[in-house]
Formats: sequence, structure tokens, C-alpha cells
Amino acid sequence: LAKTTQPISMDSYEGQEVNITCSHNNIATNDYITWYQQFPSQGPRFIIQGYKTKVTNEVASLFIPADRKSSTLSLPRVSLSDTAVYYCLMAGNTGKLIFGQGTTLQVKP
Amino acid sequence: EAQVTQNPRYLITVTGKKLTVTCSQNMNHEYMSWYRQDPGLGLRQIYYSMNVEVTDKGDVPEGYKVSRKEKRNFPLILESPSPNQTSLYFCASSLIYGGHNEQFFGPGTRLTVL
Repeated sequence: LAKTTQPISMDSYEGQEVNITCSHNNIATNDYITWYQQFPSQGPRFIIQGYKTKVTNEVASLFIPADRKSSTLSLPRVSLSDTAVYYCLMAGNTGKLIFGQGTTLQVKP
Repeated sequence: EAQVTQNPRYLITVTGKKLTVTCSQNMNHEYMSWYRQDPGLGLRQIYYSMNVEVTDKGDVPEGYKVSRKEKRNFPLILESPSPNQTSLYFCASSLIYGGHNEQFFGPGTRLTVL
């Protein structure tokens, strides 16, 4: 099955913009890209989803280029509370979901 | 409050002693699934269910069983637990199947098999 690839970890400082890229070379026509955030001792929670171009909500932005083989989650002006694991999910009309390893973001003061 | 609940939250057991982890959702979701989370391996899907009486294998189904007799419940059964099943388990649900539907996760169950 197709899978996604993300960096294992990233460090940032408070107030900076953080961009986490996910590669999905085998993306299918009906696949969407969804990002989840997970804090320690909690289940993951939905952040943002897109199909192509740019999507923005109150938490983040998601950039998907025309070829859709990658996507970038952008977190503006991170704070310490954004320290978490971020998962990229590529999936369409299927029950089988492959989340991958996730990216551990550490925000430092 | 719309939520996914799991019980127990923590469990320590011994090899071979059958156990069941319950999962329940109150959102009338059709799709439910189970994941295990291990350091360095991320979230791996164990089983999923697209609707009542419809279940299928995820990526790592060996050693696990599930059932979906009611829409709201999706228990995970370990008939003969082994130490390599020590992990953090999450149940999730969504309105219908498909990764483009928002997955709602439970709080997790930390299982230790001695």
C-alpha cells in the first residue's frame, strides 16, 4: 500500500513558523491529505485537510502542489503548547488507513 | 458530549490471559478502527469496521480479534496476549469509512503484558 514519509523530528523556537513536509509519491486520484496532532497521553486529533492548493484554518495552513506528491503543514508563530507529534495521512475511499511514523515537534523557549 | 471512550485506560496482565478492551462512541458513526502505537513506529492499524457485522484486517491484525455487533461498540480482544503486544492502543471512529473523513480518537489504553 502507498505510504507517506515525514521527518522523524524537528526543533523550533517560540514565535517561529514551522513547516513540516510529507512525501506521498503514490497518491491516488481520490486521496485526501489530512494532518493530525497528538499530545502526550492523548489520542490524535484532526488539524487540517486538503486535496490540492492551499487550505487555511484557525490553527494551520496546508500547502499541496499541483502534482500532489507532497504536502506541507505550516504552523504560524508556534508556542510551547504546539510541542506534539504530527501525523500526515494520505487516504481516500478505503477503510485501511496508514498513518506512518509521525513528526515529533519540539518547541523551545 | 460527543466522544470515543475506551476501557480500561491502563491494564497490566500476564501472558496467555484473555482480555478485552472496550471501545464505544456516541456519535452514530459507521466506521470504527483500532490502532497500536509503539515508539518509533507511529500509529499502526489493527482492525477496522465499516459498519455493523463488517470487519476487516488492518496492517497488524495478528494476535487480535474484533467484533461489531452494535454500531456504537467495537471491542478489541486478545485471546492469548504475549509481551510483544505491550503497547498503547487507540480506538477511533468516523462518520463513514474513508481517510477523508475526520477520525475521532479515544484517550488510549496502555497495556502491559508480563
